[in-house]
Amino acid sequence: EVQLVESGGGLVQPGGSLRLSCAASGFTFSSYWMSWVRQAPGKGLEWVANIKQDGSEKYYVDSVKGRFTISRDNAKNSLYLQMNSLRAEDTAVYYCARVRELEWFDPWGQGTLVTVSS
Amino acid sequence: SYELTQPLSVSVALGQTARITCGGNNIGSKNVHWYQQKPGQAPVLVIYRDSNRPSGIPERFSGSNSGNTATLTISRAQAGDEADYYCQVWDSSTYVVFGGGTKLTVL
Repeated sequence: EVQLVESGGGLVQPGGSLRLSCAASGFTFSSYWMSWVRQAPGKGLEWVANIKQDGSEKYYVDSVKGRFTISRDNAKNSLYLQMNSLRAEDTAVYYCARVRELEWFDPWGQGTLVTVSS
Repeated sequence: SYELTQPLSVSVALGQTARITCGGNNIGSKNVHWYQQKPGQAPVLVIYRDSNRPSGIPERFSGSNSGNTATLTISRAQAGDEADYYCQVWDSSTYVVFGGGTKLTVL
């Protein structure tokens, strides 16, 4: 069974840092682009970042450029999101998702909640 | 930047057909994907590349895309179809774009 399990969310003060992890299983992790997508409370979905199979290409939404870094460890079947200089508007549930055909997302993890507040 | 427009809400009577639209400039030239999200759960892919159903998704779910509008159609709507639905495209300039989401209510 293809599975994605996020961890690392929590409460952090504005300006702080947090590292999210996503453990993948049930498929050949190193063969797929991966993504992070977030959803602020009561709001819609917002794509955050993508990373190529070997980590050589990374793309970000403008609002997180320079603050967030997506990375992966194919030996550990894991995806990461390092979040620095966090702001209140970064408060959201963060989902990791497998990218299919560089077009759609399937499946998604269950999400991890990040709350940025003092 | 490319934008996708969805109605905030759509209502459908039990057993009837619901249609959820997704508007975008010349969206017919793009591949559109649809996700269902129930409260407290992660999104689930229900349609990919305009009209293809992943395994496990009922045939009641179908999609079309032409001109400036893509449409997700849910036939014989059930109470369990109540959810938020999001359309999505992969745009060359902005990479990934989601519509704002549509809340489907089954009456």
